[in-house]
Amino acid sequence: AAGVIQSPRHLIKEKRETATLKCYPIPRHDTVYWYQQGPGQDPQFLISFYEKMQSDKGSIPDRFSAQQFSDYHSELNMSSLELGDSALYFCASSYRLAGNNEQFFGPGTRLTVL
Amino acid sequence: DAKTTQPTSMDCAEGRAANLPCNHSTISGNEYVYWYRQIHSQGPQYIIHGLKNNETNEMASLIITEDRKSSTLILPHATLRDTAVYYCIAPHLNTDKLIFGTGTRLQVFP
Repeated sequence: AAGVIQSPRHLIKEKRETATLKCYPIPRHDTVYWYQQGPGQDPQFLISFYEKMQSDKGSIPDRFSAQQFSDYHSELNMSSLELGDSALYFCASSYRLAGNNEQFFGPGTRLTVL
Repeated sequence: DAKTTQPTSMDCAEGRAANLPCNHSTISGNEYVYWYRQIHSQGPQYIIHGLKNNETNEMASLIITEDRKSSTLILPHATLRDTAVYYCIAPHLNTDKLIFGTGTRLQVFP
């Protein structure tokens, strides 16, 4: 079965650079979520989109922005990168009309900021 | 989200049942309890969810107390591959974001 695809899987950037993470949800899923997991920490919710509109927002820095496109894929844009942005970034997708909150997570993008 | 409390860590022998408890005493009447797990550095994986009745699927069983203030996730025959951090989550009704607490680190040993 098709799973959530994230690209790239690994990314190395310098401080103050920008990064773009991409997420391709499971076909027919209409909701996308982004989570950040720092070293030794639990995943933290950043932002979500339903039908291309932002549906919820967590503790996402102002330096980050995200959107969901017409084909339902999503991109997380990160600017002025800081050392503390080094983390695993997970994307998850779900089908809201399924009536439950079963989220399917991708393999993550490991971002390292030097 | 309703606050959930889980033990920090548990051990289980391979082939035995693993019973992972969760307290959610502030859960409201219509909020579900979800269980996810995360195997080292992989994306979290949905296991099961329930509201009032006990639930079972191919992965696990979920036992919810009658007052809904606590629940237990049961892995009937734990394997080494079940070693992971298990999260009990009770999302607020008006949101579908998952708030991950510290979870229970389950170590299955041979």
